[in-house]
Amino acid sequence: GENVEQHPSTLSVQEGDSAVIKCTYSDSASNYFPWYKQELGKGPQLIIDIRSNVGEKKDQRIAVTLNKTAKHFSLHITETQPEDSAVYFCAASFNDMRFGAGTRLTVKP
Amino acid sequence: NAGVTQTPKFRVLKTGQSMTLLCAQDMNHEYMYWYRQDPGMGLRLIHYSVGEGTTAKGEVPDGYNVSRLKKQNFLLGLESAAPSQTSVYFCASTDGTGGIGGNTIYFGEGSWLTVV
Repeated sequence: GENVEQHPSTLSVQEGDSAVIKCTYSDSASNYFPWYKQELGKGPQLIIDIRSNVGEKKDQRIAVTLNKTAKHFSLHITETQPEDSAVYFCAASFNDMRFGAGTRLTVKP
Repeated sequence: NAGVTQTPKFRVLKTGQSMTLLCAQDMNHEYMYWYRQDPGMGLRLIHYSVGEGTTAKGEVPDGYNVSRLKKQNFLLGLESAAPSQTSVYFCASTDGTGGIGGNTIYFGEGSWLTVV
């Protein structure tokens, strides 16, 4: 089955800086790559996703890039704000969704 | 629109007790999932269902059973709870497989279970 690895496990940045979280996956058949944000005491919520026929996607301050050859994809957050502080999960999917272990992002004011 | 609702939100069990977690979704989704979340291990799939009356095993199915008697409900049962089942449980639903069509998975708020 699919195996998803996510790095780093924790990330601390100053407000206004950029943050980058990276994931790799094992199943070359995976064709859908969402990113979820989980705030304390809440369920994960989708923030952005990308499909295998697209190399990059942007939505305001967040962007995701996908390299299918290398089987890795990344989340980029620019101009970080304190409310970006949360745990972020990547996932890869073909028939079922497999998640990375999560990255705890802290944005210091 | 409530989305995905889980009950109970918190529960403490003694080893060997049984219990059922209930998940209800009001989005007419075909697919439903149960995940557990443990520190440093992300979300791991326990069981899932691709439609009413169907269930299938995920990554970590041992010690759990599920039922999908109605399309809107997905029940997760622990027949004989063990301390290793202390975790946060999330139910989720989608209207199609995540791969084919790339449909968004919607999560509930979580159920915190402690087995002592």
